[in-house]
Amino acid sequence: SQELEQSPQSLIVQEGKNLTINCTSSKTLYGLYWYKQKYGEGLIFLMMLQKGGEEKSHEKITAKLDEKKQQSSLHITASQPSHAGIYLCGADIQGAQKLVFGQGTRLTINP
Amino acid sequence: DTAVSQTPKYLVTQMGNDKSIKCEQNLGHDTMYWYKQDSKKFLKIMFSYNNKELIINETVPNRFSPKSPDKAHLNLHINSLELGDSAVYFCASRPWVQGDYGYTFGSGTRLTVV
Repeated sequence: SQELEQSPQSLIVQEGKNLTINCTSSKTLYGLYWYKQKYGEGLIFLMMLQKGGEEKSHEKITAKLDEKKQQSSLHITASQPSHAGIYLCGADIQGAQKLVFGQGTRLTINP
Repeated sequence: DTAVSQTPKYLVTQMGNDKSIKCEQNLGHDTMYWYKQDSKKFLKIMFSYNNKELIINETVPNRFSPKSPDKAHLNLHINSLELGDSAVYFCASRPWVQGDYGYTFGSGTRLTVV
């Protein structure tokens, strides 16, 4: 079973709509990272969360880490075509000194 | 200016060949990683080196051999390439003590074995 479960695996939304992607673990997350990947390209760092209850925003993207540090969500407001891509959550689980990744969420924005 | 650079970006080779992928980081980070991304886009760690010392070796076939000549470089050599080795390989680095930005990834090497 996956150490990090990401949902949904695929998401198609109309341009302008809001959306949320979730990342869940049964273990404590010691650093939760969100990355975006466009087809054929590398990983673009979005945000990192470390403290329980922490929330960070950048432009129209907001990421939260719950108080228990076992679940994170990525919320995009008023989605645009430029938001399309694969979103990956990665986490240091129990200080393992490596990033474990979720399966990714493929986001499509329809005009 | 590239923080983590990998070469080559694309590699097409025949089964049975031996190939190497190189990675260099200019961030002064102590720890470097190799990750493999399969066709379903799932990223999985392969190896990690801290200051030239191997610290993580996930169940990877011994046809894969990482080499770290110094803490700024981590190369990946693959012997007797198989079709299943086709994937995108990402190099990453981070400081030993994590800061706000943690891991920095290279742009990937797309390996195709034919």
